[in-house]
Amino acid sequence: DIVMTQSPDSLAVSLGERATINCKSSQSVLYSSNNKNYLAWYQQKPGQPPKLLIYWASARESGVPDRFSGSGSGTDFTLTITSLQAEDVAVYYCQQYYSTPITFGQGTRLEIK
Amino acid sequence: QVHLVESGGGVVQPGRSLRLSCAASGFTFSSYTMHWVRQAPGKGLEWVALISYDGDNKYYTDSVKGRFTISRDNSKNTLYLQMNSLRPEDTAVYYCARDRGWLVLPGGDDAFDIWGQGTLVTVSS
Repeated sequence: DIVMTQSPDSLAVSLGERATINCKSSQSVLYSSNNKNYLAWYQQKPGQPPKLLIYWASARESGVPDRFSGSGSGTDFTLTITSLQAEDVAVYYCQQYYSTPITFGQGTRLEIK
Repeated sequence: QVHLVESGGGVVQPGRSLRLSCAASGFTFSSYTMHWVRQAPGKGLEWVALISYDGDNKYYTDSVKGRFTISRDNSKNTLYLQMNSLRPEDTAVYYCARDRGWLVLPGGDDAFDIWGQGTLVTVSS
């Protein structure tokens, strides 16, 4: 199984500042035949289902604000939120869909400082 | 409008069975791989199972193999999860989710773009 490890577990950032969440996979999720990283990021607010933010490691889902961006390749990935807004308070998960079982990171709780 | 609505959750004793349903609307259900994902109270997300758009390919996480069965009825736009021999550790909110991949086999190689609101399953005596 591919183990996904996020850091940090929790993060407090001031409004308007940048938030950075890291995700490391235990093996590469880059598929060489199509050069795609099988990595997604989700946002989950209390009492709500997860919401897809980023897929293929860096493609932003339709309707997601452009302050959210994803980067990285192979085994190391980053979700960056520039200019943090109050509505961005949530738990963020990375996910690999390179192979089954599909696995998620443990989550990173983002709060306002 | 694209919607997924889960139902069938509740309180059940260990060892008993429960069947969850997920009704889809607003998209061509029969063209998409579908998933079940669960979340234990206060915990993270755990993928449970997937089924390809045609129903022929199914995959499960190890902890539910032999106990849970994923299925679909494309004529009814409905996804199911039959859960047998339930254990206290199966207690969770169960979400159904749509895979972004369209008419892809065997399925499961894309992100999850649509999620239902979830249904709570509590396994307790």
